[in-house]
Amino acid sequence: DAKTTQPNSMESNEEEPVHLPCNHSTISGTDYIHWYRQLPSQGPEYVIHGLTSNVNNRMASLAIAEDRKSSTLILHRATLRDAAVYYCMNYGGATNKLIFGTGTLLAVQP
Amino acid sequence: EPEVTQTPSHQVTQMGQEVILRCVPISNHLYFYWYRQILGQKVEFLVSFYNNEISEKSEIFDDQFSVERPDGSNFTLKIRSTKLEDSAMYFCASSGDRAGQPQHFGDGTRLSIL
Repeated sequence: DAKTTQPNSMESNEEEPVHLPCNHSTISGTDYIHWYRQLPSQGPEYVIHGLTSNVNNRMASLAIAEDRKSSTLILHRATLRDAAVYYCMNYGGATNKLIFGTGTLLAVQP
Repeated sequence: EPEVTQTPSHQVTQMGQEVILRCVPISNHLYFYWYRQILGQKVEFLVSFYNNEISEKSEIFDDQFSVERPDGSNFTLKIRSTKLEDSAMYFCASSGDRAGQPQHFGDGTRLSIL
């Protein structure tokens, strides 16, 4: 199973940018990099995914290293509602299951 | 925006009984999944389902568990002879028409075994 490494926790101030890092040094060539988040008492929520190029959507941006061994999820202006556990996962190549780690617990201070 | 819906939101059952957890995936999705999360622990994959058969399952998904897509809209997880350790949040998810597309999750069913 593909493994990713993330910091256990991070803190941010409201309306400031947040950069959430992830290492995935064993990623296979066909795996996408997926990010999900889980707000308290809710199911996981898809955030963004990419293969090689940087990606933007209405929720966030994803910056992928050229060697694909790491990526960074960027929340451009954190809000209190962004406080959640963020999961980075490699997915879509050899397996069609999401393997959740412990993720990064993001705290957002007003 | 279409969403995955799960019922019931909370199910309380006596140990040894059978439970069926229900899910309505997003209508044009072809891949379906069940995950569970024991309180305070990681989300764990149980099973994936495509083209009316199980495509992958974890070690947790033993003979006690089964899945079914009884009609064109529902996707169910049946747990037979429930045990105390089956108490968890169970999440259903679905994804589109190709492997590797984003999975969209429901809000889960909290299963409490007494």
